[in-house]
Amino acid sequence: EPEVTQTPSHQVTQMGQEVILRCVPISNHLYFYWYRQILGQKVEFLVSFYNNEISEKSEIFDDQFSVERPDGSNFTLKIRSTKLEDSAMYFCASRWEGERTREYFGPGTRLLVL
Amino acid sequence: SQKIEQNSEALNIQEGKTATLTCNYTNYSPAYLQWYRQDPGRGPVFLLLIRENEKEKRKERLKVTFDTTLKQSLFHITASQPADSATYLCALGYSTLTFGKGTMLLVSP
Repeated sequence: EPEVTQTPSHQVTQMGQEVILRCVPISNHLYFYWYRQILGQKVEFLVSFYNNEISEKSEIFDDQFSVERPDGSNFTLKIRSTKLEDSAMYFCASRWEGERTREYFGPGTRLLVL
Repeated sequence: SQKIEQNSEALNIQEGKTATLTCNYTNYSPAYLQWYRQDPGRGPVFLLLIRENEKEKRKERLKVTFDTTLKQSLFHITASQPADSATYLCALGYSTLTFGKGTMLLVSP
């Protein structure tokens, strides 16, 4: 079965530093997503991306966050100035275009902000 | 505001029994509902999707029902096995998914 991949698997950073989380969605998918999960809490939607632009974003996705699809295969999430509360698992997901179908999730990046 | 509740944080059952997990929602009219499995430290893995005009869906030992009047979905695992132990997430949405907090299922041998 095709897979979404994410790098790195773990990232430790100092508060105030910028981080970039990388994802390679499944090749024929056209919708891309970032979700996060704070330890012990539910999976929360951050942003969706389609046709090279953000299609929806949640209240969590403020000006500190940005997404990009720089080269047609990678999909990145940048956090400009990390805060302690950004510590979480970040999941990338993608899906095929068409009738609403399943989302394929990556294994996640565990981000720890110190 | 929209709310999704999964019946309990944890459910313990004996191997071979049927596990039944509940997902209730309020202030929501979803076009579809999905169930995912999540193992510790891993991403959600899709199990089943059911649409608003479908009452029931099955896949191997899994069965999902969807009652839009009660605003409830039931997720059943029949002949449960220890390998079914995981957290099961209910998710609703149109263009994006809103997840419940999940129910941790533990199947004892």
